[in-house]
Amino acid sequence: DTGVSQDPRHKITKRGQNVTFRCDPISEHNRLYWYRQTLGQGPEFLTYFQNEAQLEKSRLLSDRFSAERPKGSFSTLEIQRTEQGDSAMYLCASSSLRGFPGGLNTEAFFGQGTRLTVV
Amino acid sequence: QKEVEQNSGPLSVPEGAIASLNCTYSDRGSQSFFWYRQYSGKSPELIMFIYSNGDKEDGRFTAQLNKASQYVSLLIRDSQPSDSATYLCAAGWGTSYGKLTFGQGTILTVHP
Repeated sequence: DTGVSQDPRHKITKRGQNVTFRCDPISEHNRLYWYRQTLGQGPEFLTYFQNEAQLEKSRLLSDRFSAERPKGSFSTLEIQRTEQGDSAMYLCASSSLRGFPGGLNTEAFFGQGTRLTVV
Repeated sequence: QKEVEQNSGPLSVPEGAIASLNCTYSDRGSQSFFWYRQYSGKSPELIMFIYSNGDKEDGRFTAQLNKASQYVSLLIRDSQPSDSATYLCAAGWGTSYGKLTFGQGTILTVHP
């Protein structure tokens, strides 16, 4: 399978616990994004990497959230001291700059997501 | 005001009809626009993208962009029950700024 892979697919945790999610992007993609989606809403941007550099973090991302992409390949998203409001689908996407004219934004391909439930 | 707005629907069309999905955006700096389809419980999958004013066709799908009106649409011809899903419109801002801003999605139901 050469698509974006996320692990785990589902996670149930007790409030106050820490959780970590992993994302493996499409191998030749240098950009990696994390989004969060709640029921009935579109995905909300959380953070974005180009290679190993984290270029932007959303204001939505509290200090309890941290993301890394240490070698410019896979990425992890950690949530510390989880709260019930963190329950959502966490989506990872990747994209590449190659092959597009004019420097326009390339299409992002999504993984299957990690559904987090905080009880 | 949300940056990308969609009519949440639900939009219901009969099989074989044309489904028309609409999206407006507030930031004139938006340069690229994407339509994703999302089945219940699944992740979004890309249908089409459009950068230039006018129409872009791919099979049964046509994306339309009007930058002056800040309006994007997706037409689905010969709608099938398998097209029933949530359709997400997203806007992006060029190569150095990779994030997409999504609308809330329009639920489409195609009934036999």
